[in-house]
Amino acid sequence: NAGVTQTPKFQVLKTGQSMTLQCAQDMNHEYMSWYRQDPGMGLRLIHYSVGAGITDQGEVPNGYNVSRSTTEDFPLRLLSAAPSQTSVYFCASSSTTRGRAEGYTFGSGTRLTVV
Amino acid sequence: DQQVKQNSPSLSVQEGRISILNCDYTNSMFDYFLWYKKYPAEGPTFLISISSIKDKNEDGRFTVFLNKSAKHLSLHIVPSQPGDSAVYFCAASRHGSGNTGKLIFGQGTTLQVKP
Repeated sequence: NAGVTQTPKFQVLKTGQSMTLQCAQDMNHEYMSWYRQDPGMGLRLIHYSVGAGITDQGEVPNGYNVSRSTTEDFPLRLLSAAPSQTSVYFCASSSTTRGRAEGYTFGSGTRLTVV
Repeated sequence: DQQVKQNSPSLSVQEGRISILNCDYTNSMFDYFLWYKKYPAEGPTFLISISSIKDKNEDGRFTVFLNKSAKHLSLHIVPSQPGDSAVYFCAASRHGSGNTGKLIFGQGTTLQVKP
């Protein structure tokens, strides 16, 4: 019963490098989201998806791409890493009740440092 | 523009006493509110939620109150326990096309419960 699995747990990138943060859930949840957590800023929504093949932007989407080819996976791509993207990234998933996403289940996070 | 605000970065209470965490929101279209709890090096976990058609929801030691006219919600923990020491985030969402599954979080409040 894995829940939401994020890999890697830690990553150091050089400015300009690209990488993909992986997220997988085994609960057959329709909704998946990516958040970043920064001191004093709380959790800010990057991108989210309401089902396979459907994605949309959140509050801070610039510099990130997502795709949702399967229900289980929702990878987050950093196209050209910048120091401002140093953060802790959380992936989350949720089922729906009456058309609304209920409480999200979060992964344990990826701590990314861009130097 | 911070739509969900937690103006108290930290709160310290004695074990056995009541903890009250506050949250304000600006978007009157929000109609569903949630509280999450986060321990260091872990993802947030869902704690309790409330729909805008209610003004109170209770689950064991945790009660959430919603004051729609003031655009304010609060989380009461009674009695507080040392294991409650964590960061607490409030979150809000609005129903409707394009919004389902889109949670907006506050900055978080760090609660310390002293033995």
